[in-house]
Amino acid sequence: DVKVTQSSRYLVKRTGEKVFLECVQDMDHENMFWYRQDPGLGLRLIYFSYDVKMKEKGDIPEGYSVSREKKERFSLILESASTNQTSMYLCASSLSLLAGSYEQYFGPGTRLTVT
Amino acid sequence: DAKTTQPPSMDCAEGRAANLPCNHSTISGNEYVYWYRQIHSQGPQYIIHGLKNNETNEMASLIITEDRKSSTLILPHATLRDTAVYYCIVSMEYGNKLVFGAGTILRVKS
Repeated sequence: DVKVTQSSRYLVKRTGEKVFLECVQDMDHENMFWYRQDPGLGLRLIYFSYDVKMKEKGDIPEGYSVSREKKERFSLILESASTNQTSMYLCASSLSLLAGSYEQYFGPGTRLTVT
Repeated sequence: DAKTTQPPSMDCAEGRAANLPCNHSTISGNEYVYWYRQIHSQGPQYIIHGLKNNETNEMASLIITEDRKSSTLILPHATLRDTAVYYCIVSMEYGNKLVFGAGTILRVKS
């Protein structure tokens, strides 16, 4: 089974702190994604990556950056956390388009609270 | 702009078929229909996808109308563990750029 793990289930940070959310997948997937989920707004794509050191902006990249130095790891960075970034953050991975894959595998999520 | 429309909630008796509808009247010819579900406190889980033919796998069946403007996800024998939010998503990027709406809350009751 594909496993996507996220570094924390719950995280509390203060306004202005730099926050790192880590995601690791164990199935050699090329694609990785970061979403946030908020009540009434559904899941929204923040950033995604098709390969190591490559990244693409999603629908709501403002206030976030990402890093993918290794194929299995995709980090989401909040340079200066703000209260409006309090949310559930979900990481996902999938095989490459060439592999004909259509399925994204999601991690359990990190509930981040910024106070 | 919402690309899909789903009822906010549905109830289903345990052991019966659950039929979840989705309207996607603006779907284009190269867009797929995907279904995911999210059980409480977990990440979303892929269920099934289709382009124009009906599809079936071990979890569910997907029925797409001939004009492709709507579809129905069928869970043939719903169990209490199928209680979840079900998302119908339209995407042409091989499932990579998924836009999740509000979904349908399915409650399976004993």
